[in-house]
Amino acid sequence: AQSVSQHNHHVILSEAASLELGCNYSYGGTVNLFWYVQYPGQHLQLLLKYFSGDPLVKGIKGFEAEFIKSKFSFNLRKPSVQWSDTAEYFCAVILRGDNFNKFYFGSGTKLNVKP
Amino acid sequence: GAVVSQHPSRVICKSGTSVKIECRSLDFQATTMFWYRQFPKQSLMLMATSNEGSKATYEQGVEKDKFLINHASLTLSTLTVTSAHPEDSSFYICSAKGQGQEKLFFGSGTQLSVL
Repeated sequence: AQSVSQHNHHVILSEAASLELGCNYSYGGTVNLFWYVQYPGQHLQLLLKYFSGDPLVKGIKGFEAEFIKSKFSFNLRKPSVQWSDTAEYFCAVILRGDNFNKFYFGSGTKLNVKP
Repeated sequence: GAVVSQHPSRVICKSGTSVKIECRSLDFQATTMFWYRQFPKQSLMLMATSNEGSKATYEQGVEKDKFLINHASLTLSTLTVTSAHPEDSSFYICSAKGQGQEKLFFGSGTQLSVL
């Protein structure tokens, strides 16, 4: 079973549209959650992360994500996208166990924002 | 989808010993591999980039004599932590991409604990 799922593989939006990218994981224990972005020709950049505390996490560039434990989800949101948000977005999860830590990246969601 | 296998998933070693971590691309030719480390509650930190058949390019502040990277084939890269010390304890993660490809595929990480 896949530990991290990003169901949207390719999303096309117009500028000013709202964005929500789904991320689900399958693990009942402790998790650390991340969203990374990869702009064309560049390497990964951390958008935001969740370790504990307030499940609504605010990141850079106006992005936020909400950890809903009951739904095993950590969806990424932005109220109004810009052309410069065109990139690939990756959800990542660390599954923390007594004797292991496992790191999983989702398959990525390619976002195209039309000017 | 493409798979990257990373081994071992967890290793505990004594201070002063060397540890080798392997990263294999199982179904594609990984012309470029990246090595990261992740400290608790931190983001991935890129350590080095290796292209098959070439010397690795290390990020600033990463000791190349301590973290030896070998990328001798299109399916295997290794990271050797030489003379490990407790401060090297961390989560090490590899990623790989193919020729002309932007998409990264990630290993599941190696938790290194140095006693």
